[in-house]
Amino acid sequence: IAGITQAPTSQILAAGRRMTLRCTQDMRHNAMYWYRQDLGLGLRLIHYSNTAGTTGKGEVPDGYSVSRANTDDFPLTLASAVPSQTSVYFCASSDGDPNIQYFGAGTRLSVL
Amino acid sequence: GQNIDQPTEMTATEGAIVQINCTYQTSGFNGLFWYQQHAGEAPTFLSYNVLDGLEEKGRFSSFLSRSKGYSYLLLKELQMKDSASYLCAVIGSNYQLIWGAGTKLIIKP
Repeated sequence: IAGITQAPTSQILAAGRRMTLRCTQDMRHNAMYWYRQDLGLGLRLIHYSNTAGTTGKGEVPDGYSVSRANTDDFPLTLASAVPSQTSVYFCASSDGDPNIQYFGAGTRLSVL
Repeated sequence: GQNIDQPTEMTATEGAIVQINCTYQTSGFNGLFWYQQHAGEAPTFLSYNVLDGLEEKGRFSSFLSRSKGYSYLLLKELQMKDSASYLCAVIGSNYQLIWGAGTKLIIKP
């Protein structure tokens, strides 16, 4: 069982380019999340999805979009990358009560 | 506003005991998590508290006082592999997690 798979592992991106970070889970969890983690700050929620077909905005959604066409996949798109989006991005999923979240290995993104 | 405070860094000795504190001020409370995150890796679940008191799980214990907005994670018989960051997170009124910045724990031989 793989759990949650994120791709790519790392990426260097020119400012202004479009980029999609992929996230796939095989645990059949209903809820999925995208976070960014920056040095000295806690994990910050970008977008979430409580179930397939629905999405919601988190704490820092600007510049990002998501879709949830099915239970397993939850891609995150940066429409036009900016240097402030340089960060480590984690995808997570959860199911049931309590809301224990399980994380992917992360994507390290540098926008130059 | 919503705030979760943890010490930035702590140092302890192998074999000893360390307590990592977390205080929170949030709009609503529906539970508190502790996660462990080794450098360069993903956070992994350690413990969950929703009622006051102590939850013990092997060498790790977590305590919660809802009236004081306070939790701690207690690590006993420290091992070098316990060197990691420890993240405190609270489930707020909208049932999303609010994360502290984490405490980096350094274990010395």
